[in-house]
Formats: sequence, structure tokens, C-alpha cells
Amino acid sequence: KAGVTQTPRYLIKTRGQQVTLSCSPISGHRSVSWYQQTPGQGLQFLFEYFSETQRNKGNFPGRFSGRQFSNSRSEMNVSTLELGDSALYLCASSKGQGRFNEQFFGPGTRLTVL
Amino acid sequence: EDQVTQSPEALRLQEGESSSLNCSYTVSGLRGLFWYRQDPGKGPEFLFTLYSAGEEKEKERLKATLTKKESFLHITAPKPEDSATYLCAGSNDYKLSFGAGTTVTVRA
Repeated sequence: KAGVTQTPRYLIKTRGQQVTLSCSPISGHRSVSWYQQTPGQGLQFLFEYFSETQRNKGNFPGRFSGRQFSNSRSEMNVSTLELGDSALYLCASSKGQGRFNEQFFGPGTRLTVL
Repeated sequence: EDQVTQSPEALRLQEGESSSLNCSYTVSGLRGLFWYRQDPGKGPEFLFTLYSAGEEKEKERLKATLTKKESFLHITAPKPEDSATYLCAGSNDYKLSFGAGTTVTVRA
């Protein structure tokens, strides 16, 4: 069974630009959660979508947004990029809501902001 | 504020040398305590979920236990392939909060 896929795998942007990252969950999974991972802060929860609705949001500014489509695929968008947004962005899918269930993580998108 | 603290930050073991990793948590309304393993360049991989104090779960050389304030991951007779970063996370009705992880290196 195919795992969670994320595209692109690597991305280089400059400050002020915006970026869209994509996540395709495992077939049959209705929940997609997004995380930011940095050496200093570790893994931090961004938001979770379940059946196209945002269920919870972490402590990130409004520049970070996301959505989920009817096929459960999800995108996250970061506008007005800052240097501190450089990180590995991970998405994870699960059958039920992610914070209560086993999550399957994708390989991540490495974003570098110059 | 919900907090999950893991210790030690790094652990170097000889093959066969058993040890334990600690995860202390202050998560209001804890619904579950998760353990994940992360290899370099990959996303985390699920290991265990513990739901109540006193619960234990095992998988191969790994055993996770849970008390009201801490969780432990015991690695028995580790092998080099057990080298990874081990992450614990506490969940409540709002989010999953991860600790910074313990990086385990097992030398042959």
C-alpha cells in the first residue's frame, strides 16, 4: 500500500515569497496533520484537517494556512516567507483524528528561505 | 502550557547494552502518550500508544511504560539497527505535543 507522499521534496525561496506544499495521504485516511520540524524547536504541530474541515491549529501566525480536498489530499501555504520559516515540513495521515491515532508520516518537504 | 521533555538528549550504547529513555509530560487532559522513531532524512514512524498509567507495550527489543507523569522506553539488548531518534508525544483534545527526542546510537 502506498505511503504518504509529499511534493516537492526540496524548495528554495526568498524572503517575502509564498509557497504551497502538497500532501497525499494513504488511501482511506481522512485526517491530515501538518508539522514543522527544526533543530531548535523540534516537531511542532501546525494544523489538522479531517473530512475537509480544520479541526485544530497550533500556535503559528496566520501566514500559515492549509486546506483539504474531498479526496483527502491537503495543501499548506505559507505567505510572506521569513528566514525563520526554513524547516522540514511534515505531513501525517491517519484513519481517525491524528492526535488520537497512529499517524503515518511522509518524508517531508525541506524548505529553505534565503 | 503543555510540555513534553525527553532525556537524555543523546545516548550512545554498545550493542547488547540495555538502557531506558525518559519522557516527562505535563499535558492537560492527556488522551494518549505516543512513541515514534525517526531515522535521518525520514518522517517519524509510529511505535506505541499508551493510554493509562500502568500500561505497558512491547515490540521486539522495545518496551514502553506509562506512569501519571512519565513514560519510559526500554531498549533491551540493542542492535545497531536500533540507532535512531526516538520521539514521544502527548495528545489532548487540541493537539499532539512532541518532545525534542533522544538520539540513540548503538555501536557494534
